[in-house]
Formats: sequence, C-alpha cells, structure tokens
Amino acid sequence: NAGVTQTPKFQVLKTGQSMTLQCAQDMNHEYMSWYRQDPGMGLRLIHYSVGAGITDQGEVPNGYNVSRSTTEDFPLRLLSAAPSQTSVYFCASRGVLNTGELFFGEGSRLTVL
Amino acid sequence: TQLLEQSPQFLSIQEGENLTVYCNSSSVFSSLQWYRQEPGEGPVLLVTVVTGGEVKKLKRLTFQFGDARKDSSLHITAAQPGDTGLYLCAGFTGNQFYFGTGTSLTVIP
Repeated sequence: NAGVTQTPKFQVLKTGQSMTLQCAQDMNHEYMSWYRQDPGMGLRLIHYSVGAGITDQGEVPNGYNVSRSTTEDFPLRLLSAAPSQTSVYFCASRGVLNTGELFFGEGSRLTVL
Repeated sequence: TQLLEQSPQFLSIQEGENLTVYCNSSSVFSSLQWYRQEPGEGPVLLVTVVTGGEVKKLKRLTFQFGDARKDSSLHITAAQPGDTGLYLCAGFTGNQFYFGTGTSLTVIP
C-alpha cells in the first residue's frame, strides 16, 4: 500500500520563485489537507478539501493555492515563495468520519532563500 | 491562534521512568487524537478518544480525555528508548483537526 505520497522530499527555492508540492493518495479518501510544521508550533492547517472540486482555507492559507480535480490528487502551489514559507509540509487524508485517522505523507522540506 | 497547548515542550528522561504529557485548550472538541512522529516521517495515530472522561490504554500508554472535552493527557509507564519521538495531540472541531504545539520526548537508555 502506497498510502499518501508526497513529492519532492526536498526543495530549495529563491525568493519569488514558484513551485508545486504534489500529493497523491490511493485510499479513496474524500478528505485531503495540507499542513506546515514549524519548530514549537506543531502542525498548522493550510488548505483542505472534502472532495473533488471543493477546497477551503485553513489557519494559514496566505501565499498558497490548491485545487482538487480528482479524488486522488491535491497539489499545493506556492506562487511567489517567501523566506517565511521555509518549513516542512505534510499532506494528509482521512475518511469522512470525524473520528477518522489522518494518514500522513512523509513530508516535503522546503527552504526559501 | 494555537487552539491546543502542550506541556512540556521538551522532556528528557531515563529509561524506566514514568511521564505525563498534557494537552490543554479553552475550546471543546468532539474528539481528540494523539499522534507520534519520528524524525523524517509523518505523524502516526496512536489513539482516538471521543467521550468526556474516557480513558484508553495502549500497552504502557494511558490516554485520558477531560470531562469537559477540552483537555487530554498521555501517561507513559516505564518509558523505553523506543518511545522517543514527537507526541502531538489533535482536537476535532468544525470539521477540522487542530494540532497541539508538540512534546519532544527523549528516553535515555
């Protein structure tokens, strides 16, 4: 089982560059989300989706865009990277139930110079 | 705004000792989860608690959900080096999971 797959694992960008973090899941989960993890701050929700064609903002959405054209894929786009976006990014999916387990990818470490 | 605060932020103990990690909030959650994260990996679910006052045991780990469903604790008995990792609580409200600030545990052999 692949579960949740994120690419790339590591990326270095210069300020102002754009890039897309890819996320794919093979568990047929309707819910997918993106978190960023910074020291001492746990995981903060960026954007989430409850199904194909539906997306919404989380706690820290500024500077990020998402789309959900299929159930499997949920890419995260940085349109103009800033040093404040240096972080480790995690994609997660779950079943619809509010007690459902979140399944995480292995993370993508992004450095913006 | 961080909905969930965890304490302590860092904990370093000797093998065999007991410890408790706290997860506190002023918000009410319909359920609360605990995850453990190893370096270079994503968090992995340990337990879900749903009912106020609920206690769940997972081998040497005991999880409790507060009566008012605003807080939770994780108690580890006789800690082992394999317990080393980052422990995260996550409360469910408004169709979202909000994560705590994390507790980094190191168990020294």
